[in-house]
Amino acid sequence: GESVGLHLPTLSVQEGDNSIINCAYSNSASDYFIWYKQESGKGPQFIIDIRSNMDKRQGQRVTVLLNKTVKHLSLQIAATQPGDSAVYFCAETERSNYQLIWGAGTKLIIKP
Amino acid sequence: DTGVSQNPRHKITKRGQNVTFRCDPISEHNRLYWYRQTLGQGPEFLTYFQNEAQLEKSRLLSDRFSAERPKGSFSTLEIQRTEQGDSAMYLCASSPMETQYFGPGTRLLVL
Repeated sequence: GESVGLHLPTLSVQEGDNSIINCAYSNSASDYFIWYKQESGKGPQFIIDIRSNMDKRQGQRVTVLLNKTVKHLSLQIAATQPGDSAVYFCAETERSNYQLIWGAGTKLIIKP
Repeated sequence: DTGVSQNPRHKITKRGQNVTFRCDPISEHNRLYWYRQTLGQGPEFLTYFQNEAQLEKSRLLSDRFSAERPKGSFSTLEIQRTEQGDSAMYLCASSPMETQYFGPGTRLLVL
């Protein structure tokens, strides 16, 4: 219910440190994965994606790791900045299917 | 700005009134999606268009909800006889393939 959803998992990180946000995905047939960043009052913003034929992909200050064996996805943010404060969602889909399956979301808090 | 746009950004209405939201997708994206999001939750899928064809509707989309994309470009989402439980953020996304890009959302408050 909504009361459960309000208690988002929270990760507190010191400014300048690296952040690692984890996600367990549900569908073994999923072959495409996306990380979104959502700031308060805004829509989800695409950060990085990865296809199932890869296990690592790097962007600017972000890295996504995919472990298909244990159905685990992680997002690493290097040198975390105050602007990284947001809720981060992972999403999975089969490329033959348009529907995204969303993870629970993790709230990232940056400590000064 | 060539991203997905949504209007209005905020809407306050009284229970029982009808509301309509508009979404303008990224140009040339043939896929368009509507989602609903409540506080602390991920987006919940409502409906999906490919060009002007509405290909899927969630069971969440009761008969009070209707969506259109008449010319395969912008889309509207109408909620008739609003209820307090309809209060949420309504998100639109568009995609050329599987990567969905989201608009800023319309926050609806039903009093």
